[in-house]
Amino acid sequence: GNSVTQMEGPVTLSEEAFLTINCTYTATGYPSLFWYVQYPGEGLQLLLKATKADDKGSNKGFEATYRKETTSFHLEKGSVQVSDSAVYFCALHRGGAGSYQLTFGKGTKLSVIP
Amino acid sequence: EAQVTQNPRYLITVTGKKLTVTCSQNMNHEYMSWYRQDPGLGLRQIYYSMNVEVTDKGDVPEGYKVSRKEKRNFPLILESPSPNQTSLYFCASSLSVSTDTQYFGPGTRLTVL
Repeated sequence: GNSVTQMEGPVTLSEEAFLTINCTYTATGYPSLFWYVQYPGEGLQLLLKATKADDKGSNKGFEATYRKETTSFHLEKGSVQVSDSAVYFCALHRGGAGSYQLTFGKGTKLSVIP
Repeated sequence: EAQVTQNPRYLITVTGKKLTVTCSQNMNHEYMSWYRQDPGLGLRQIYYSMNVEVTDKGDVPEGYKVSRKEKRNFPLILESPSPNQTSLYFCASSLSVSTDTQYFGPGTRLTVL
């Protein structure tokens, strides 16, 4: 079946540090890949997405590239801010007849300190 | 404003007492889904619905029921709640799950004593 593995947290960084959160997946075919962010006390929000190999999703300074050869979708940001403190979830969807399930990783908690 | 609403936001109940968590979206989305979020386990899908009267099991459907009689509403029903259903529940909707944004509700924190 489909699965998503993300790096264990929590991750603590100083403001303006470089961020990488690793995400790898297992799926047959060509899944769509997503990063969602959950700020404290809120629901999840889509951060970025990529629907085919070599696509780069980007939003709010975050980027992730869909690498089919390494089955990865790592999240990066060049300079984190305190306001980026949140839990980040990698997710995949593999469509097809009768298949509409979204599979999430376990989440990585990021804390950014001033 | 486009949104997904859930009620109640917080609920404390006792084992065996039937309860319903409501979910409603105002975006005319076809696809809706329920998830539970538990520490160390991330989000796991309970049930989803591709349209009115079309529902299917997710990864952890045991102990839950859903219905989709109207496009905008997707209630989650716990007929006989147990303590292992204590969790944070999220409803989500999207026009199409494959490439479109999923919009999440604010969450319902359920405690079953």
